[in-house]
Amino acid sequence: DQQVKQNSPSLSVQEGRISILNCDYTNSMFDYFLWYKKYPAEGPTFLISISSIKDKNEDGRFTVFLNKSAKHLSLHIVPSQPGDSAVYFCAASEIIQGAQKLVFGQGTRLTINP
Amino acid sequence: GAVVSQHPSWVICKSGTSVKIECRSLDFQATTMFWYRQFPKQSLMLMATSNEGSKATYEQGVEKDKFLINHASLTLSTLTVTSAHPEDSSFYICSARPDRNSLQPQHFGDGTRLSIL
Repeated sequence: DQQVKQNSPSLSVQEGRISILNCDYTNSMFDYFLWYKKYPAEGPTFLISISSIKDKNEDGRFTVFLNKSAKHLSLHIVPSQPGDSAVYFCAASEIIQGAQKLVFGQGTRLTINP
Repeated sequence: GAVVSQHPSWVICKSGTSVKIECRSLDFQATTMFWYRQFPKQSLMLMATSNEGSKATYEQGVEKDKFLINHASLTLSTLTVTSAHPEDSSFYICSARPDRNSLQPQHFGDGTRLSIL
């Protein structure tokens, strides 16, 4: 059972426009959400996170929105740049027996076209 | 800061060989490290949580005798794939979270691509 879902396997956006990546989750016990960016043959790089007590967190060109009632979060990148082309993973965190565990979505491949 | 180094980055070996993968936190201490596995075009799946000085905690369905984890120091965890077979071929990634700040996110190594012939 996929607790974290990214329903769009790929997304193509024009340079300079806004990129919106979506993520849905089913477990209401998740209390912390993260976005990671991954290039081929490399490990994921942390981008931005949000606590479940907030609905928005902004860091430069990246903004994450959380809608707890809909169990949905999104990552907005504006303006999009060619270097943003990568696979983006949404992850949700839960504390189980004192340990933080991350559950990842399947990833969305973002391509920024010049 | 918060750099995690994983070695080797790529391994090709014969079936039946045991392979050891190292995960090091270079500029921070990590009591807890995590091992993930990723199949092509799929998500990262947590295999086990590695705890310094104690036994690892394995996720359901992960064979602890197949995937041996040792976390001997606050900066090093190792994953040994014992008697590897072609179905063990995958991308293995470790992560660590700095002890000094429990609010910090997990930082990942660059992964190890394991190919068993």
